[in-house]
Amino acid sequence: KQEVTQIPAALSVPEGENLVLNCSFTDSAIYNLQWFRQDPGKGLTSLLLIQSSQREQTSGRLNASLDKSSGRSTLYIAASQPGDSATYLCAVIYTTDSWGKLQFGAGTQVVVTP
Amino acid sequence: DGGITQSPKYLFRKEGQNVTLSCEQNLNHDAMYWYRQDPGQGLRLIYYSQIVNDFQKGDIAEGYSVSREKKESFPLTVTSAQKNPTAFYLCASSIERGQYQFFGPGTRLTVL
Repeated sequence: KQEVTQIPAALSVPEGENLVLNCSFTDSAIYNLQWFRQDPGKGLTSLLLIQSSQREQTSGRLNASLDKSSGRSTLYIAASQPGDSATYLCAVIYTTDSWGKLQFGAGTQVVVTP
Repeated sequence: DGGITQSPKYLFRKEGQNVTLSCEQNLNHDAMYWYRQDPGQGLRLIYYSQIVNDFQKGDIAEGYSVSREKKESFPLTVTSAQKNPTAFYLCASSIERGQYQFFGPGTRLTVL
């Protein structure tokens, strides 16, 4: 069964500390992996997309790495701010899905305290 | 502004009633998706459409129906056959498979 797991389910850090969020997937045959942010009661905002041929993607304070052989992706957020408080979701498109279905993890809820 | 709109933001349904959730996009995207989100869980795919007049069932299509008569619109009907419809419903679109999926703001459906 193809699954996506995010651990921990919740994380609290003081402002200024770096955030490290983990995502694991059970099948290395992925098409790409996407990281999203969700604020309470809101839709999802796409943060980064990593193609299967890439090892990492960067955007501002965000950096996402991909290791297909170990089935892992990590999202790093440098110098966290209270505005980074949100739930972060990772999602994978497996190569077996011909129509681009995203397989989501349950998310990591992040709280950055001032 | 380009984007995806969903309406209504909140929807209340009585037992045995069908309700329709609206999703509209002006991004000129071919692919559109409907997801359901329950507390503490990831999103699950209900239906998707790659092109006008074509759509496919996702993982949890039972009790739901869709139509795709226009490229811009992909409405979702929650029928009385859906036994546990209370959830947060999210619509998304992408220019093609494997590209960024852009999400709407969501509709929260509650059964009274």
